[in-house]
Amino acid sequence: EAGVVQSPRYKIIEKKQPVAFWCNPISGHNTLYWYRQNLGQGPELLIRYENEEAVDDSQLPKDRFSAERLKGVDSTLKIQPAELGDSAVYLCASSPRSDTQYFGPGTRLTVL
Amino acid sequence: GENVEQHPSTLSVQEGDSAVIKCTYSDSASNYFPWYKQELGKRPQLIIDIRSNVGEKKDQRIAVTLNKTAKHFSLHITETQPEDSAVYFCAASKTGKLIFGQGTTLQVKP
Repeated sequence: EAGVVQSPRYKIIEKKQPVAFWCNPISGHNTLYWYRQNLGQGPELLIRYENEEAVDDSQLPKDRFSAERLKGVDSTLKIQPAELGDSAVYLCASSPRSDTQYFGPGTRLTVL
Repeated sequence: GENVEQHPSTLSVQEGDSAVIKCTYSDSASNYFPWYKQELGKRPQLIIDIRSNVGEKKDQRIAVTLNKTAKHFSLHITETQPEDSAVYFCAASKTGKLIFGQGTTLQVKP
């Protein structure tokens, strides 16, 4: 069984530029999560989807971050414009139900 | 809001010794407690989890205990091996939203 797939694995951009991350969850997993992990810290939830519906986006900085999960499968997380403080690893996870979560390899974002 | 405290932040043991990592949570409604292992530059990998209706769970060299009254849970690794070296994260959840601890860097010295 394939795991959670994310791309790109690494991204370097200048501040104020836009950036997008893509996630393909494990087949059959209805719940999808986006996390941000700063260096030396645990992941922090940004948004959670149940199928195509965002059921928890309370931690998503909505002035610059947006996400979508069209058709309830793949998801895209976007930042526009990026700031220096957005440098982090962005992790996607999926779950067959709302507890056991499996993580993707993450996208390491560096904002210069 | 929900908070998870994890201790110690670093732990160094000799190969073959046991390692214990402890976490406390603030929300008494939390009912799911997973542990993840993360090697440098890799994804967090689920190694064991426990639900609130169970007090202890074991999987080979790894065990987790849960004390709901005290709101704390612990990870126990016996007969540690160098490949156990990694960062370990605990987490607590009640509605699918995982709140993670700050992580413990475990070093197993051969």
